[in-house]
Amino acid sequence: QVQLVESGGGVVQPGGSLRLSCAASGFTFSSYGMHWVRQAPGKGLEWVAFIRYDGSNKYYADSVKGRFTISRDNSKNTLYLQMNSLRAEDTAVYYCAKLSPGRAFDIWGQGTMVTVSS
Amino acid sequence: QSVLTQPPSVSGAPGQRVTISCTGSSSNIGAGYDVHWYQQLPGTAPKLLIYGNSNRPSGVPDRFSGSKSGTSASLAITGLQAEDEADYYCQSYDSSLSGFWVFGGGTKLTVL
Repeated sequence: QVQLVESGGGVVQPGGSLRLSCAASGFTFSSYGMHWVRQAPGKGLEWVAFIRYDGSNKYYADSVKGRFTISRDNSKNTLYLQMNSLRAEDTAVYYCAKLSPGRAFDIWGQGTMVTVSS
Repeated sequence: QSVLTQPPSVSGAPGQRVTISCTGSSSNIGAGYDVHWYQQLPGTAPKLLIYGNSNRPSGVPDRFSGSKSGTSASLAITGLQAEDEADYYCQSYDSSLSGFWVFGGGTKLTVL
């Protein structure tokens, strides 16, 4: 069964850090690019970051560039998102998603909530 | 403000047909990049509904169809059912400086 399971969310103070994980199963993780997408409460979807299948290239939304780092460990079938200098506007459900050969987000995790608040 | 523009809401009675538009520009849809559509039921993660402008993943009913023309795309739902009530998002790729993967703002479908 193809599955993505996020973890690591929680409540953090402004300026703090958090690392999210996304465990993949049911497909050859090392063959696919992976994304992080977030959704603020009551808002729409916002693409956050992308990493190529081999980790050779990484891309970020302007809103998180310089603060967030996407990475992966293909030996552990796991995707990560290191979030530093967190702001209130980073409060959202964070989803990991697999990039399909047709460049769609074809598999999504269930999401993990990140709340930035003092 | 989203790079791709969708109507905030649409509605229809059971059995009717509704369409949701997604308007982009020459740096995304108009540049030839594919449009994909996602359905998000209340309290759940998004699910891929249409990929590559008009293709349905396995398991998606043929009541859902997609099309693309110029700088716009559309999602059509025929034979509306109560369980179709959800948020729908279009998504494409943008080649501008602040681009990459972009989503529409989402459309809330209400089944009357």
